[in-house]
Amino acid sequence: GNSVTQMEGPVTLSEEAFLTINCTYTATGYPSLFWYVQYPGEGLQLLLKATKADDKGSNKGFEATYRKETTSFHLEKGSVQVSDSAVYFCALKPSQAGTALIFGKGTTLSVSS
Amino acid sequence: EAGVAQSPRYKIIEKRQSVAFWCNPISGHATLYWYQQILGQGPKLLIQFQNNGVVDDSQLPKDRFSAERLKGVDSTLKIQPAKLEDSAVYLCASSLGGSGGDTQYFGPGTRLTVL
Repeated sequence: GNSVTQMEGPVTLSEEAFLTINCTYTATGYPSLFWYVQYPGEGLQLLLKATKADDKGSNKGFEATYRKETTSFHLEKGSVQVSDSAVYFCALKPSQAGTALIFGKGTTLSVSS
Repeated sequence: EAGVAQSPRYKIIEKRQSVAFWCNPISGHATLYWYQQILGQGPKLLIQFQNNGVVDDSQLPKDRFSAERLKGVDSTLKIQPAKLEDSAVYLCASSLGGSGGDTQYFGPGTRLTVL
């Protein structure tokens, strides 16, 4: 079946540190991959996505590359800010049309100044 | 462009009571989803509509949960009777529908506490 596995949190970093949040997936076919972010007290927001192998999604300084050979979609940012503190969810959408997202459990990031 | 609207934002009920949540998707979005997010976990799909037809309700506990999407726009999710384990955030999302890379847009959620 389809599933997403994220690294356990919480992740605690100092401002300007490098961030990596690991995400691996299991899926048949060619799913689309997403990172969503949930800031405190707010709803889920799309951060970035990639729809085919070797695509790189990027937004707000965050990047993730769709690696089919390692079934991974790791989230990275070169220099985190306090405002990046949030919960990050990796998700996949199976290749069949009309299917819903399958989420990982989420990784909490806390950035201190 | 207005986002996905949900109400109420918070609800506290006693077990065995009933509760209903409302969702208004982004205008023009054919597909509507209800997810349940239990504390510390990722959202899990409860039901998916395409226009006013059900696409997937395989994970909906049908003995107590029901949902409808009249006229292919607004949707309501009902729980009757509620159990303690139904305490969660209920998220509504919408998308244009169709392609695998289709982006889902989420509402702010309704936080349900069952006492």
